[in-house]
Amino acid sequence: DGGITQSPKYLFRKEGQNVTLSCEQNLNHDAMYWYRQDPGQGLRLIYYSQIVNDFQKGDIAEGYSVSREKKESFPLTVTSAQKNPTAFYLCASSIMMEPQHFGDGTRLSIL
Amino acid sequence: AQTVTQSQPEMSVQEAETVTLSCTYDTSESDYYLFWYKQPPSRQMILVIRQEAYKQQNATENRFSVNFQKAAKSFSLKISDSQLGDAAMYFCAYRSSYNNNDMRFGAGTRLTVKP
Repeated sequence: DGGITQSPKYLFRKEGQNVTLSCEQNLNHDAMYWYRQDPGQGLRLIYYSQIVNDFQKGDIAEGYSVSREKKESFPLTVTSAQKNPTAFYLCASSIMMEPQHFGDGTRLSIL
Repeated sequence: AQTVTQSQPEMSVQEAETVTLSCTYDTSESDYYLFWYKQPPSRQMILVIRQEAYKQQNATENRFSVNFQKAAKSFSLKISDSQLGDAAMYFCAYRSSYNNNDMRFGAGTRLTVKP
């Protein structure tokens, strides 16, 4: 079955530590996205990528970094510069003007 | 920038009855897409229904239908014959036709279905 796989489901970060969230898709979609979801708020765009080796900042990119070395993969690194990283992170992908498909998400917490 | 507003943080409905979730949006664009996504406790975002702004006919998907009022910038979701499995967070979303990557979400409405 085609879909988007996010791992891990739960992740804990220590102070001063960088952590990387994985997102893999086998839908052959060109575009991939990372969103952050906080309680009582909708999804906010962190980064997006339309093609390999190219990505753009979204509304809340500070403290995050991404890479797009393969079409299927779009990992998100939460750096120590992100002072409030506790949130639910959703990865999505899409093709052309079709709706975005989402993964199951990763919940990141601070130790 | 486009904004999406869901004015009902929580709604409840009796099983088998009908409920309507509200959504309004603000845009200066004439062509765009609107979506309703469902997020059950599993947290996965599931597309419920979509509407292209250039289409006057309201979209329907089985028990789900929308009331799209372009002039009023309103996009409500009607769920008929509500089922226990409909309980979830529902998010309204707007996507520009001019920028595929510009997608805006409302804050969500938590729907409870009472047996």
